[in-house]
Amino acid sequence: EDQVTQSPEALRLQEGESSSLNCSYTVSGLRGLFWYRQDPGKGPEFLFTLYSAGEEKEKERLKATLTKKESFLHITAPKPEDSATYLCAVQANNFNKFYFGSGTKLNVKP
Amino acid sequence: GAGVSQSPSNKVTEKGKDVELRCDPISGHTALYWYRQRLGQGLEFLIYFQGNSAPDKSGLPSDRFSAERTGESVSTLTIQRTQQEDSAVYLCASSPQGGLTYEQYFGPGTRLTVT
Repeated sequence: EDQVTQSPEALRLQEGESSSLNCSYTVSGLRGLFWYRQDPGKGPEFLFTLYSAGEEKEKERLKATLTKKESFLHITAPKPEDSATYLCAVQANNFNKFYFGSGTKLNVKP
Repeated sequence: GAGVSQSPSNKVTEKGKDVELRCDPISGHTALYWYRQRLGQGLEFLIYFQGNSAPDKSGLPSDRFSAERTGESVSTLTIQRTQQEDSAVYLCASSPQGGLTYEQYFGPGTRLTVT
């Protein structure tokens, strides 16, 4: 069964304290793995797409990496404005479906 | 340019009534997706449109749920005889080309409350 599991459910960091969020997946043929950021009361905002194991992408303080079983979202020296829920999703080989994890709620304190 | 818009932003309805939720995708986006997000949970796939056809309806939770799309434009999600468990945020997303690994652009959602 295709599924996506994210951990931890919630993460509290001090400003400047780097950490990583995990997304582990089981899917019958990975087409792509996506990271989104969701602020309260808003729709998810696209961050990254990863296609194959070993791939890495960076954007400001965020770096996403991918292995055959999981992806990590590394946050370097976070700021309070990085506080949000981070969602991971996978697209399987049947193209049409995207499977989302339940997210990691990040709170960065000044 | 304009993003994905959804209306209404909030809807409160009585159990047993029908509701229609609307999504206006980004112009030129051929693929359109509907998701349901219950409080504190991830997104649950409902249906996917490529153009105005829906090759994958497998996520619709029951026959009370239906969706249609006009051309490569507006889509409506209809829930008949609403139940309390239908209460959730309904999110719509569009993508430049479905079937490939293009990112999805989400609307702000419609918060549905069934009393």
